[in-house]
Amino acid sequence: NAGVTQTPKFQVLKTGQSMTLQCAQDMNHEYMSWYRQDPGMGLRLIHYSVGAGITDQGEVPNGYNVSRSTTEDFPLRLLSAAPSQTSVYFCASSVRGQGPYEQYFGPGTRLTVT
Amino acid sequence: GENVEQHPSTLSVQEGDSAVIKCTYSDSASNYFPWYKQELGKGPQLIIDIRSNVGEKKDQRIAVTLNKTAKHFSLHITETQPEDSAVYFCAASSWSSGSARQLTFGSGTQLTVLP
Repeated sequence: NAGVTQTPKFQVLKTGQSMTLQCAQDMNHEYMSWYRQDPGMGLRLIHYSVGAGITDQGEVPNGYNVSRSTTEDFPLRLLSAAPSQTSVYFCASSVRGQGPYEQYFGPGTRLTVT
Repeated sequence: GENVEQHPSTLSVQEGDSAVIKCTYSDSASNYFPWYKQELGKGPQLIIDIRSNVGEKKDQRIAVTLNKTAKHFSLHITETQPEDSAVYFCAASSWSSGSARQLTFGSGTQLTVLP
């Protein structure tokens, strides 16, 4: 299994541009989520999904859109990039069941908005 | 919502010494407390977790303790080795059968093990 994969690894955008960060998992996990990591602030939840067709907002959803058309894929869209969205983005997945389960993280995408 | 505070932000120890990282949480409903290790250039990886019905859990050189009354939990690493150097995150969430609220992470601790 490849686990959780993310593309691209690095990206530079100009203010106002849009892009999609890709996330895929091959573990048949129902639960997927997107976090951003900023210095001194830990990981903050952007959006999450408990299954195909179901998404919900996390702590910092503004400026981001998500969709979940398949179990495997959970792309994150930046509608109009802003310098405040410069960050490292992590996608994670886990089993959804009767208790808390380990979240498996991807390797991250480092995004710079100029 | 939940708020998790983590201390210290940086920690340097000599190889072979112990390291302790502490976290406090605010929501008394939180009942699940995982610890993640993030190596340079990689995503976080779960190293140990504890549920609120347990006061301590050990796995080889790492252990986690939980004080529900004081709302704090700690990560203990004994006999530290250079490969323990990484950023460590604590987290908290509440869960019940069939559902789980989201993880709230602490701000992270950069642990450096000096040879």
